[in-house]
Amino acid sequence: QVQLQESGPGLVRPSETLSLTCIVSTDSFKSTYWSWIRQSPGKGLEWLGNIYHSGTSNYNPSLKSRLTISIDTSKNQFSLNLGSVTAADTAVYYCVGAPNMYFFDYWGQGTLVTVSS
Amino acid sequence: DIQMTQSPSSVSASVGDRVTITCRASQAITNGHGLGWYQQRPGKAPKLLIYSISSLTPGVPSRFSGSGSGTDFTLTISSLQPEDFATYYCQQANSFPRTFGQGTKVEIK
Repeated sequence: QVQLQESGPGLVRPSETLSLTCIVSTDSFKSTYWSWIRQSPGKGLEWLGNIYHSGTSNYNPSLKSRLTISIDTSKNQFSLNLGSVTAADTAVYYCVGAPNMYFFDYWGQGTLVTVSS
Repeated sequence: DIQMTQSPSSVSASVGDRVTITCRASQAITNGHGLGWYQQRPGKAPKLLIYSISSLTPGVPSRFSGSGSGTDFTLTISSLQPEDFATYYCQQANSFPRTFGQGTKVEIK
């Protein structure tokens, strides 16, 4: 059973960088595509980007200039850094796994990040 | 980006009812993987129900089914059960960025 756990601060100041890490428990870390997806309060789902164990990544163009996703295969974890945040970045952030790159089979429980001064 | 539009936004139904949710893509989805459907209960992460348009994720009840092609896709719940009251999202897997519909909330009538 694949388990994912997000960690990071729940409150970030405007204009600062939002940083989250996802630790994954699985033997198939290197054969799965890892993504970040967020959900603003009361709203729908937004895919932010993904990364593979090789470091190959894809980003949502709407966030590409502010977003970096990195991976550490030695620790079975991947991370998100989103710069210059505003209140519009307030959301529940999920770390997610897609064994086939197309669909999201594995989800963390989600972590609420609030951007506020 | 491929925009995904779901209808209706919400539906009120009773246990035992047949429910159909529609998802329309802004451009044709042409790869073999196509589209997936997720169920989200309040306060929980989404759960993949159907992938590649019509393939059921293992463990998902057979009352759930998916169909469609091109730009129009449907999720059908053949006989609504109490645990099915939730919000459902479609997601296209044709291209990056991956995009989701805005959701359809299935409520108790």
